[in-house]
Amino acid sequence: DAGVIQSPRHEVTEMGQEVTLRCKPISGHDYLFWYRQTMMRGLELLIYFNNNVPIDDSGMPEDRFSAKMPNASFSTLKIQPSEPRDSAVYFCASSFGTSLGDEQFFGPGTRLTVL
Amino acid sequence: ELKVEQNPLFLSMQEGKNYTIYCNYSTTSDRLYWYRQDPGKSLESLFVLLSNGAVKQEGRLMASLDTKARLSTLHITAAVHDLSATYFCAVVRETSGSRLTFGEGTQLTVNP
Repeated sequence: DAGVIQSPRHEVTEMGQEVTLRCKPISGHDYLFWYRQTMMRGLELLIYFNNNVPIDDSGMPEDRFSAKMPNASFSTLKIQPSEPRDSAVYFCASSFGTSLGDEQFFGPGTRLTVL
Repeated sequence: ELKVEQNPLFLSMQEGKNYTIYCNYSTTSDRLYWYRQDPGKSLESLFVLLSNGAVKQEGRLMASLDTKARLSTLHITAAVHDLSATYFCAVVRETSGSRLTFGEGTQLTVNP
């Protein structure tokens, strides 16, 4: 398996623009997670899905952020409009259900820079 | 609110030495994970600890879990330069489903 796939790997955009990050989880995993990592705040869970359904979005910073999972093999995280403080590395991770220990496997991340 | 604290946050050690990284958490949990992150890279899963008293070893790293003390340790034996990285522990709160809460990370530097 190729592991969790994220695109793009790097994104530079200007304030006010819409940004869409993409994730393909490991095949067969039924949980998908979006994290954000910054020096100031460390690793933060933004939202996670189980069987394509959002379960916990309490970490989503504000209405500018939205996430979707239209099917088991694809998810998006959208920021509209983007702001400089959104600059961070965004990781997607996936796992099996808790009965198997729910070890999360992380993608390579998208480094977002908002100017 | 679940809090996860790692100690120390920065660790510089000589090759060949032993050291332990500590991970304390504030509420009941039955699952704890250790991850490694190299600079500019993603997180790599090292250990999954699922029960009190669990001990796992991989090479020069050994992790243990004491759920009564709410403490996990990551012990490094005879450190080598390749172990230089940031190590995170992460905890799942019993009532939070699959939500992981991460510690701040311990930045380990092993000097020749």
